[in-house]
Amino acid sequence: QLQLQESGPGLVKPSETLSLTCTVSGGSISSSSYYWGWIRQPPGKGLEWIVSISYGGSTYYKPSLKSRVTISVDTSKNQFSLKLNSVTAADTAVYYCARSGRYLGLIYFDYWGQGTLVTVSP
Amino acid sequence: DIQMTQSPSTLSASVGDRVTITCRASQSISSWLAWYQQKPGKAPKLLIYKASSLESGVPSRFSGTGSGTEFTLTISSLQPDDFATYYCQQYNSYSRTFGQGTKVEIK
Repeated sequence: QLQLQESGPGLVKPSETLSLTCTVSGGSISSSSYYWGWIRQPPGKGLEWIVSISYGGSTYYKPSLKSRVTISVDTSKNQFSLKLNSVTAADTAVYYCARSGRYLGLIYFDYWGQGTLVTVSP
Repeated sequence: DIQMTQSPSTLSASVGDRVTITCRASQSISSWLAWYQQKPGKAPKLLIYKASSLESGVPSRFSGTGSGTEFTLTISSLQPDDFATYYCQQYNSYSRTFGQGTKVEIK
């Protein structure tokens, strides 16, 4: 059974960089059939897709966040990572990593991590 | 971005009730719509994809219909485990967007 697990600091200071890693187990991140992505959810609010990456490094970004987001993949560790720079309190959210299909008709999210709360505060 | 609007925002219902949630897209998305269920403190769970295809393991009381800009999620007979928040998500483009959610509460 595929499992995804987020890890990273739970507290980040304003203007600094949020860094999270998602470790995939029970399956290979190197499958050509899938993309790996990040979705966030501010406390009490809805879901927002941020970015997705393939094992080969192809990426799709939410346009409004693209200038602040970096995503990378480490196939040797079966991990992918998110960096969000210049954070503000508005970036406080539960961050989820998730898997989607590769092609347009399949890019819904079928496996999710449990989520990790990141708070932006001095 | 394609905007997704769900209604109602909150729905109060009793066990055994038939429940319908609506999701509207700001432009046509063909049938590229998914529905998720989220319980407090948990990750969303995929229920339906391609507007009407039931994900493996999801009870058959859940069903989805629609195409173009209007979609519905129906729970035929609400069970205690179904009280949760439901989100629609369009994937007509790689810039995926979610609805704001519909919370199904106990009446």
